[in-house]
Amino acid sequence: EAGVTQSPTHLIKTRGQQATLRCSPISGHTSVYWYQQALGLGLQFLLWYDEGEERNRGNFPPRFSGRQFPNYSSELNVNALELEDSALYLCASTHSGNTIYFGEGSWLTVV
Amino acid sequence: DQQVKQNSPSLSVQEGRISILNCDYTNSMFDYFLWYKKYPAEGPTFLISISSIKDKNEDGRFTVFLNKSAKHLSLHIVPSQPGDSAVYFCAASVGNGGATNKLIFGTGTLLAVQP
Repeated sequence: EAGVTQSPTHLIKTRGQQATLRCSPISGHTSVYWYQQALGLGLQFLLWYDEGEERNRGNFPPRFSGRQFPNYSSELNVNALELEDSALYLCASTHSGNTIYFGEGSWLTVV
Repeated sequence: DQQVKQNSPSLSVQEGRISILNCDYTNSMFDYFLWYKKYPAEGPTFLISISSIKDKNEDGRFTVFLNKSAKHLSLHIVPSQPGDSAVYFCAASVGNGGATNKLIFGTGTLLAVQP
């Protein structure tokens, strides 16, 4: 069974640009979470999508946004990139809400 | 094969008392352990971690104990507060300093702190 897949693995953008990260959950999972893990910090909750709807978002500015598609895959968009947005962005999926499966992550570097 | 096990699906504790959440693991190569907390409307958030070179790490009301010989770790919350009511996940990794994409999570324990 394929796990949570994320793309791209690495992304380099310049300040002010936009970044788009993608996530495909495990088959059958309807919930997708997005997290940011900046260097030296723990996971910071970004967004939660379930059944195509945004259910909750963490304490991040509006330039962090996303969506969930009918096939439950998801996209995270970061607009007006700032240097401090450089981080590992993780997607996770779950069905029951208890066992959470993370993807490998997408490394975003803003220069 | 569940490498990280949380055998208690739920735990109920009175406010002010100690909450003890347990976690067992099978892979002796795990060298970094973390606890995550999850509220119903959010994803899991990092709580506290411990490296295998230590047997205790404390952060405020939260203390994690690691018993490598028994392959067991526990999270103590003292004193427990109603706001601590959440699902707690134990997680472990080999190398990577606990990089999240390499974590193996347990199935979680639902803690209910009664006022």
